[in-house]
Amino acid sequence: DVKVTQSSRYLVKRTGEKVFLECVQDMDHENMFWYRQDPGLGLRLIYFSYDVKMKEKGDIPEGYSVSREKKERFSLILESASTNQTSMYLCASSFQSGAASSYEQYFGPGTRLTVT
Amino acid sequence: SQKIEQNSEALNIQEGKTATLTCNYTNYSPAYLQWYRQDPGRGPVFLLLIRENEKEKRKERLKVTFDTTLKQSLFHITASQPADSATYLCARDTGFQKLVFGTGTRLLVSP
Repeated sequence: DVKVTQSSRYLVKRTGEKVFLECVQDMDHENMFWYRQDPGLGLRLIYFSYDVKMKEKGDIPEGYSVSREKKERFSLILESASTNQTSMYLCASSFQSGAASSYEQYFGPGTRLTVT
Repeated sequence: SQKIEQNSEALNIQEGKTATLTCNYTNYSPAYLQWYRQDPGRGPVFLLLIRENEKEKRKERLKVTFDTTLKQSLFHITASQPADSATYLCARDTGFQKLVFGTGTRLLVSP
């Protein structure tokens, strides 16, 4: 079974703090994604990575950065947390091998971040 | 931009009936559509993928259709059970496995 784990289920941080959210997958997937999910807005893509040290902006990258130093680990960084970054953060991974891709994404359990 | 629209109102049905959820997309037809299930406080779980050239896909009690003329996918759960109560998300590809998700439709199956 594919397993995607996230470092924390719940996190409370203060405005201005630097926040690290970690995601690890154990299926040797090339692609990894970070989303945030808010009521009424659904899942929105923040950043994704299709290889080690590669990253691409998603739809809402402002205020976030990412790091992928190892294939299995993808980190989301909030450089200076703000209250409007209070949200559920979800990490996902997927496998891709040339044209025969497995398209489904496997999600972690999510981190509910509150910024006060 | 590509968008996915799902009915934001909850769908309430009785156990044993067929639940039908709708997903509408804009602009060009995606190469595929995906359906996920999400329980409260948990990450989405992949259910089914249907490609542009497939009219229908089935998996146990689940059936998905893809109508490129109507720009619509329908998701059916037959013989629904209270355990099917969850939010169901539709997603379309936008290239390179990037997905755009709908906001989801909450399904409530009452005994």
